[in-house]
Amino acid sequence: KQEVTQIPAALSVPEGENLVLNCSFTDSAIYNLQWFRQDPGKGLTSLLLIQSSQREQTSGRLNASLDKSSGRSTLYIAASQPGDSATYLCAVRDDKIIFGKGTRLHILP
Amino acid sequence: GAVVSQHPSWVICKSGTSVKIECRSLDFQATTMFWYRQFPKQSLMLMATSNEGSKATYEQGVEKDKFLINHASLTLSTLTVTSAHPEDSSFYICSANGVVEQYFGPGTRLTVT
Repeated sequence: KQEVTQIPAALSVPEGENLVLNCSFTDSAIYNLQWFRQDPGKGLTSLLLIQSSQREQTSGRLNASLDKSSGRSTLYIAASQPGDSATYLCAVRDDKIIFGKGTRLHILP
Repeated sequence: GAVVSQHPSWVICKSGTSVKIECRSLDFQATTMFWYRQFPKQSLMLMATSNEGSKATYEQGVEKDKFLINHASLTLSTLTVTSAHPEDSSFYICSANGVVEQYFGPGTRLTVT
């Protein structure tokens, strides 16, 4: 049974710092891995999707990497801003999508 | 990109009543849709997989007679919470399989009083 773990559960950093969020999964037989952002009381915003054959994806200040063999992914956020404060969810897809519990990120102005 | 809508976006109902939530794929056909539930400050938990023209597949621990799923067309799946109780209050999100990825609806917040 696939399990997805995100570390840390919560993180507070000063504005401007670079940061890394971690995601690990137990079964490497995945189709893809996706990072989402969720603001309080809102739905999901897809940030980056990495196919199983890919190593990384980049969008603006965000970079996500995937090491399928070791069951790990990281989301790197450069030059953090207060508007980046949200919960970040990692999800892997095999025959269905399984989510991690998320990392609650707070950027201090 | 592909869009998935949900209706209603929020609903308040009395204990014992039933509530129907709709999930629509707006610009693509989806043979498979998924229903998730999210409790406050928790992650999304998959409830069931909805297949067009066949019975839904429920995850372990999800009562199929309480959470009725109907996927009658390639663009619409419905989730009916029957005899709702306060513990059913949650954020319900659907998703639909696109060609490359799943697309998620904006969610429906259900409050049972």
